[in-house]
Amino acid sequence: QVQLVESGGGVVQPGRSLRLSCAASGFTFSDYTMHWVRQAPGKGLEWVAVMSYDGGNKQYAESVKARLTISRDNSKNTLYLQMISLRVEDTAVYYCARGTGTTFDYWGQGALVTVSS
Amino acid sequence: QSALTQPASVSGSPGQSITISCTGTSSDVGGYNYVSWYQQHPGKAPKLMIYDVSKRPSGVSNRFSGSKSGNTASLTISGLQAEDEADYYCSSYTSSSTFLYVFGIGTKVTVL
Repeated sequence: QVQLVESGGGVVQPGRSLRLSCAASGFTFSDYTMHWVRQAPGKGLEWVAVMSYDGGNKQYAESVKARLTISRDNSKNTLYLQMISLRVEDTAVYYCARGTGTTFDYWGQGALVTVSS
Repeated sequence: QSALTQPASVSGSPGQSITISCTGTSSDVGGYNYVSWYQQHPGKAPKLMIYDVSKRPSGVSNRFSGSKSGNTASLTISGLQAEDEADYYCSSYTSSSTFLYVFGIGTKVTVL
């Protein structure tokens, strides 16, 4: 069965960096577009970034451009999100999600990132 | 991001039908048949319930159905059950230059 498992979350001070990972299993990872979606505490969902199946194309929400970088290693079946210059408003649960067509058909359990001094 | 508009809460008794609306613009909901609906129980990951406006993934109950008219999409849950109590989010592909997908603010469904 499809499984997506995020890791790398934690508490970090403003201005610091963090890298999230998303380990995929149960499907051919290299065939699928992958996304990051985040959810601030008590808030709704916000799309963050997408990377094509081969890593050749990526797009970001304007609010995170230049500070967040999506990448993938198809040999390791893993998606990454490198976050730099973190802000308090980046505090959220970060989900990786598999993209199929124009929807997100499977989601991981999420990784909590807390940015606080 | 400018979120899609959803009612904050909807409630119904077991066995009843409820409908959740999701209003956007011609740049998102009205411009594409790419509306999805997600169910999220507290502390859990979202689960895809409807995609491409009205298609149901394998394994999702046929009590869930979707539709769209103009800039407003709707999710109907028929034969409401206790397990349907959750938050529901709509999303749409968008032609915005600042983000690729937009989500609704979420609707809390309460089973009375």
